[in-house]
Amino acid sequence: GAGVSQSPRYKVAKRGQDVALRCDPISGHVSLFWYQQALGQGPEFLTYFQNEAQLDKSGLPSDRFFAERPEGSVSTLKIQRTQQEDSAVYLCASSLNPRQGRGYTFGSGTRLTVV
Amino acid sequence: RKEVEQDPGPFNVPEGATVAFNCTYSNSASQSFFWYRQDCRKEPKLLMSVYSSGNEDGRFTAQLNRASQYISLLIRDSKLSDSATYLCVVTGNTPLVFGKGTRLSVIA
Repeated sequence: GAGVSQSPRYKVAKRGQDVALRCDPISGHVSLFWYQQALGQGPEFLTYFQNEAQLDKSGLPSDRFFAERPEGSVSTLKIQRTQQEDSAVYLCASSLNPRQGRGYTFGSGTRLTVV
Repeated sequence: RKEVEQDPGPFNVPEGATVAFNCTYSNSASQSFFWYRQDCRKEPKLLMSVYSSGNEDGRFTAQLNRASQYISLLIRDSKLSDSATYLCVVTGNTPLVFGKGTRLSVIA
């Protein structure tokens, strides 16, 4: 597609529920990034894929967070046993070259609210 | 200490005013620098890159001081449509690292 597509746009989860957030990057973009943006904060890095390889997951806040990109295209961020502190906007970005900051395109994000 | 620090504001300025935002970064190995703009409930979008020589794009001027690890953004002749959060962003051998953002409100 023309841009980075994320779904769902909004998700309300009960505490303890598992959620899965999807990101469909720009076709041909080998690099894919997940960021978490809490209210009033800047985006915080979670994890990074180059094709299907997860090269950096240092930003994942706990082992409840898991991301995959099995075919090097669509990616899913899964959060198990959601907690209230997981409430945030989850942004996905894709890029042809991760070292060229000009080339990042962000999706509209998934706003997760844990109640 | 956060890797990228910004004054969160808000900056409330009248139309036509000149406003400046500053940002400091802690990682001296950072190689590339940017300002992103984020509108309320929208995704961040690249505003401009920042170079040591300074660069200008219309009413916007960005400057980098590597020695002081300091980045600035100047907006001249502010418009109502400039109201947004401005994010300072750095990167090196890692993905983009964002500051907390500075909120600007331009008032008629």
